[in-house]
Amino acid sequence: LAKTTQPISMDSYEGQEVNITCSHNNIATNDYITWYQQFPSQGPRFIIQGYKTKVTNEVASLFIPADRKSSTLSLPRVSLSDTAVYYCLVGDTFYSSASKIIFGSGTRLSIRP
Amino acid sequence: EAGVTQFPSHSVIEKGQTVTLRCDPISGHDNLYWYRRVMGKEIKFLLHFVKESKQDESGMPNNRFLAERTGGTYSTLKVQPAELEDSGVYFCASSQGLAGTDTQYFGPGTRLTVL
Repeated sequence: LAKTTQPISMDSYEGQEVNITCSHNNIATNDYITWYQQFPSQGPRFIIQGYKTKVTNEVASLFIPADRKSSTLSLPRVSLSDTAVYYCLVGDTFYSSASKIIFGSGTRLSIRP
Repeated sequence: EAGVTQFPSHSVIEKGQTVTLRCDPISGHDNLYWYRRVMGKEIKFLLHFVKESKQDESGMPNNRFLAERTGGTYSTLKVQPAELEDSGVYFCASSQGLAGTDTQYFGPGTRLTVL
């Protein structure tokens, strides 16, 4: 499984766009990139997943360059409720039907008024 | 649709006692996972069930931990006897097991404190 590197923490303000970048230099051809969000006292929650280029849903956008060695999670116009830990995960969910998640330390995002 | 539920939400026991944690996955999800986070550490995988079979138990720390999933529905994780270092938050997750995009849905966790 490819190792990921992401900032330990980030701070921003309400209404701003927040971009969290994750490095995964050893990503394999079959690997997808997945982001989870975790609020205090809750379990991790799936946000978004992608393989290449750009993916957008109602919560966030995920930008993946052509070499796929990094990815950027973009949260538009954050609010205080977006304060959480964000995990970038890389793994093979294309050919394998299910596999364990290996969590890193994540990025602790703090949003201020 | 109900999400993954875990019981109890909190458990405080003394060293040497036994505790059983329960996880009810999302209905229809064949895959069930147990993870835990001990204080100050990252979330770590414990084991993975596919229906009632243990697919991967490489993360189980030692033989004091016993996980079961009789009938392929809910799962229990028993710690016997509990030690101080077992304190942490135990998460359960479930997924359908679809190749291509297998999203794991996590429960709220059980916070275990061993005194």
